[in-house]
Amino acid sequence: ETGVTQTPRHLVMGMTNKKSLKCEQHLGHNAMYWYKQSAKKPLELMFVYNFKEQTENNSVPSRFSPECPNSSHLFLHLHTLQPEDSALYLCASSQQGYNSPLHFGNGTRLTVT
Amino acid sequence: GQQVMQIPQYQHVQEGEDFTTYCNSSTTLSNIQWYKQRPGGHPVFLIQLVKSGEVKKQKRLTFQFGEAKKNSSLHITATQTTDVGTYFCAGQTPRSNDYKLSFGAGTTVTVRA
Repeated sequence: ETGVTQTPRHLVMGMTNKKSLKCEQHLGHNAMYWYKQSAKKPLELMFVYNFKEQTENNSVPSRFSPECPNSSHLFLHLHTLQPEDSALYLCASSQQGYNSPLHFGNGTRLTVT
Repeated sequence: GQQVMQIPQYQHVQEGEDFTTYCNSSTTLSNIQWYKQRPGGHPVFLIQLVKSGEVKKQKRLTFQFGEAKKNSSLHITATQTTDVGTYFCAGQTPRSNDYKLSFGAGTTVTVRA
């Protein structure tokens, strides 16, 4: 059971494709996040949005482009990806501030061929 | 920057035995959170520790925050097959306007029946 919904669950795309990942949260949170989870690596924070404003961009390549139209929706637009971008992409939400746990979506398993 | 290290990376446990996983930070933390990710699933928040020396229990799981607020541990007693998964710790540093969580790489637990 999750209050954070991600689509699609699985995505296979070629290096020349353009696709988008979608995330929606139903928890009334004001912060949303994109994380990348690769095998044998810690969770990597990619982007943070607080009150729809992007507050973090952890040196993510420009082939990843986030969009946050409102506090409930978050997108990750993908274009000209590389095979090493294959990973599980997790969306999460929280209330901004200390002591606020993250609520993760089920993730999108991305494979770049 | 802040680093959160977890040991061991892998824990193979005989069903019914106890084990402990450890989390260490290079800097003092304002709080530490623990998450569990089942195989094929997404991280799920388990608990948060805020006070120095704090100990919290959830059934067979005991979480502890160190006195210096730089380390934490998760102890599981009488391990069951339902304990299989990866356990992540994540810490926040007490810097103003920076609520980022730094995740450890996780301890992946397998159980021998």
